[in-house]
Amino acid sequence: KQEVTQIPAALSVPEGENLVLNCSFTDSAIYNLQWFRQDPGKGLTSLLLIQSSQREQTSGRLNASLDKSSGRSTLYIAASQPGDSATYLCAVRYSGYALNFGKGTSLLVTP
Amino acid sequence: DAGVIQSPRHEVTEMGQEVTLRCKPISGHDYLFWYRQTMMRGLELLIYFNNNVPIDDSGMPEDRFSAKMPNASFSTLKIQPSEPRDSAVYFCASSLGGQGNYEQYFGPGTRLTVT
Repeated sequence: KQEVTQIPAALSVPEGENLVLNCSFTDSAIYNLQWFRQDPGKGLTSLLLIQSSQREQTSGRLNASLDKSSGRSTLYIAASQPGDSATYLCAVRYSGYALNFGKGTSLLVTP
Repeated sequence: DAGVIQSPRHEVTEMGQEVTLRCKPISGHDYLFWYRQTMMRGLELLIYFNNNVPIDDSGMPEDRFSAKMPNASFSTLKIQPSEPRDSAVYFCASSLGGQGNYEQYFGPGTRLTVT
């Protein structure tokens, strides 16, 4: 099975800090990688999608990078806010259409 | 667009009962996915459809689980009989295929509790 690992499992930072969430995958032959946000008791909200031919994608304060050769992706959040508190999930798509999810990083941004 | 719609949002049932979860994908999307989320295993794909046809059901845990997509705007996931270990949050997602970017959009999920 193609494994997707997210480190750290949990993270607590004070408001205003820049932070990085990590995602690693065992098989570099990916089609694309998608970052999601999940609020407690809610569904998943797509944040960014990076195609295998791309190195990074940006949306507002979020920047996601992809390094296929090393099997890594990072999600950078600039100037964190309490509203950013949620679980962030990384999902990798290989040859099929299914997404392989990591277990997520639970982020708490304190005022 | 209303996004992916799932019903019910919460379901509590007794072991042995039949459970049916429902999903309405985003209009125009030709792929539909059913995922299950548990604390132990995280999010796992159960089955997905393309143009209403099941393509990969290798994630369906056992014969007690079945899924159908009778038309482009409706899908069901049925568990019969249900067991306590089926307790989880079940998500439906949809996406465009073809030459698109395949971004998947998720519904709010159905939280199933089997007692």
